Amino acid sequence: AQSVAQPEDQVNVAEGNPLTVKCTYSVSGNPYLFWYVQYPNRGLQFLLKYITGDNLVKGSYGFEAEFNKSQTSFHLKKPSALVSDSALYFCAVRDLMDSNYQLIWGAGTKLIIKP
Amino acid sequence: NAGVTQTPKFRVLKTGQSMTLLCAQDMNHEYMYWYRQDPGMGLRLIHYSVGEGTTAKGEVPDGYNVSRLKKQNFLLGLESAAPSQTSVYFCASSYGQVYQETQYFGPGTRLLVL
Repeated sequence: AQSVAQPEDQVNVAEGNPLTVKCTYSVSGNPYLFWYVQYPNRGLQFLLKYITGDNLVKGSYGFEAEFNKSQTSFHLKKPSALVSDSALYFCAVRDLMDSNYQLIWGAGTKLIIKP
Repeated sequence: NAGVTQTPKFRVLKTGQSMTLLCAQDMNHEYMYWYRQDPGMGLRLIHYSVGEGTTAKGEVPDGYNVSRLKKQNFLLGLESAAPSQTSVYFCASSYGQVYQETQYFGPGTRLLVL
């Protein structure tokens, strides 16, 4: 069965430091992987996606993510955190072998950037 | 270009009451989705639609019905609300390129069932 795990409920980082939000997945076939961000009282916004090609994917607001097939991971990273990055981050996966048009979502990780 | 809009923004219902949540998109997207978001559980797909006049069940469809009579609108109905349906409901839409589409989300509807 397809699944996504975000092992950390919350990540605390000081402003200016690098940040990592972890995501691991389990699918039968090849994965399509996504990161979305949710600011308070708002809907989710797309950050970046991996479909194929270069394992390092660059997205909005200076974020990037690295696809690691052997570790089945797709961690979100940013070299220098901003206070405005504080939000809820969701990882999602779609299995190429799955005929349903559904994304499987992680439970979310709350990112807190402290000044 | 408003993107994806949802009405109402907030609603309180009593157990057994019914209501309809409206989602509208102006991006000419083929696919539309209804999710519910509960603390610690991420998003769960309720129903979705791959085109006007078509709907399909998602992960948690029980207690909900949907209709897609017009391409731009996707309605979510609760016939007899239960406290377990207290949640934040998000509508999303996408172009419909299978596997690769980015989903665009509305601002959400907070529903409290007493």
